[in-house]
Amino acid sequence: GAGVSQSPRYKVAKRGQDVALRCDPISGHVSLFWYQQALGQGPEFLTYFQNEAQLDKSGLPSDRFFAERPEGSVSTLKIQRTQQEDSAVYLCASSRGGWNWAFFGQGTRLTVV
Amino acid sequence: DQQVKQNSPSLSVQEGRISILNCDYTNSMFDYFLWYKKYPAEGPTFLISISSIKDKNEDGRFTVFLNKSAKHLSLHIVPSQPGDSAVYFCAASPIDRGSTLGRLYFGRGTQLTVWP
Repeated sequence: GAGVSQSPRYKVAKRGQDVALRCDPISGHVSLFWYQQALGQGPEFLTYFQNEAQLDKSGLPSDRFFAERPEGSVSTLKIQRTQQEDSAVYLCASSRGGWNWAFFGQGTRLTVV
Repeated sequence: DQQVKQNSPSLSVQEGRISILNCDYTNSMFDYFLWYKKYPAEGPTFLISISSIKDKNEDGRFTVFLNKSAKHLSLHIVPSQPGDSAVYFCAASPIDRGSTLGRLYFGRGTQLTVWP
């Protein structure tokens, strides 16, 4: 597709369940970011990949959060043993260069019940 | 600790008038700033940016002003149109000129409503 694609669009998980969120970046975009946006807040940085290398994971809130991008294209954000505070919209962005050329996906809305 | 602050959660403006959205930051290492626009159920879309070497950048109806000494920037929309109704996020990066990527720090957003 032409844009950044995220799936699923919506996910309801029971507390304690593991979830996997997928991001398909724009073809050729080497940089990929994950952000978490809680209700009424701005996006908060989670992690950054350049190709398959995870260059910054300082924003991951706990060791329950794990992200990978094994072939430098599709990325998966995994959350283990989900908690209610994990409820948020998870945004993925990719770029071929600077932020002026970065595009965000529509996000995955995760609700933990 | 919120390093980028948008203190007005909402703004309502009549069509044709100027909309002014404000943003303050605390980190003096920030030197590249962006504004994003977000419609419901969509991701943020880039609107306009400014580097710290400038104090103004203009793109059509949108102008961003940067006051480094006050650590303040603002987005002016003239004239405002109903289609501009959206949430506007201010974001900042410590990497210069946006040519390389560093993490962005976002404000909480301002909901702009433009009424006819």
